[in-house]
Amino acid sequence: DAKTTQPPSMDCAEGRAANLPCNHSTISGNEYVYWYRQIHSQGPQYIIHGLKNNETNEMASLIITEDRKSSTLILPHATLRDTAVYYCIVRPTTSGTYKYIFGTGTRLKVLA
Amino acid sequence: EAGVAQSPRYKIIEKRQSVAFWCNPISGHATLYWYQQILGQGPKLLIQFQNNGVVDDSQLPKDRFSAERLKGVDSTLKIQPAKLEDSAVYLCASGRVGEQYFGPGTRLTVT
Repeated sequence: DAKTTQPPSMDCAEGRAANLPCNHSTISGNEYVYWYRQIHSQGPQYIIHGLKNNETNEMASLIITEDRKSSTLILPHATLRDTAVYYCIVRPTTSGTYKYIFGTGTRLKVLA
Repeated sequence: EAGVAQSPRYKIIEKRQSVAFWCNPISGHATLYWYQQILGQGPKLLIQFQNNGVVDDSQLPKDRFSAERLKGVDSTLKIQPAKLEDSAVYLCASGRVGEQYFGPGTRLTVT
């Protein structure tokens, strides 16, 4: 079973920030938080990952709470092309298998 | 760099027939994964290879599914015989450490 819980769907107005929450209350100290997204009819695409600190790249920002039990993916200026299913995954840092367990994700719809 | 390539993109077969999918990973990626994604669900890992050895195949239905990775590069996933519940998208991914890069997938419809 997935170790993360996400809302099934969210809407966001184009140009506004999209904040996608993820609960991972059973996360252990050696597990990363990864975010992927899947646009219709494509394979999942890597967005960002983090361990303890907040992270930012050209696609998004990742905010991880101090207790690491939840995180938020932020798309600062959502566009119609950001409409996709977003998956939050926890993965051990030390496992040689780097196994991902996907949940059902959050279906984000960006509205014009 | 070129991404993960998969073929065919679409396949329709009748139940009890066999089918094979092909994956060419990103050059230099030692790890290769096959996932099954049923409509409305997240991808489920079927098998993971490290070079040409199997690391994890705990969720592979071994009575009908088989996979191999030739010389640690290309891989094939076979289903024989197919069942209606095998209708899904089959995704291949490759990676080095941590991140996985996914191909476009093969959409299988079993009638």
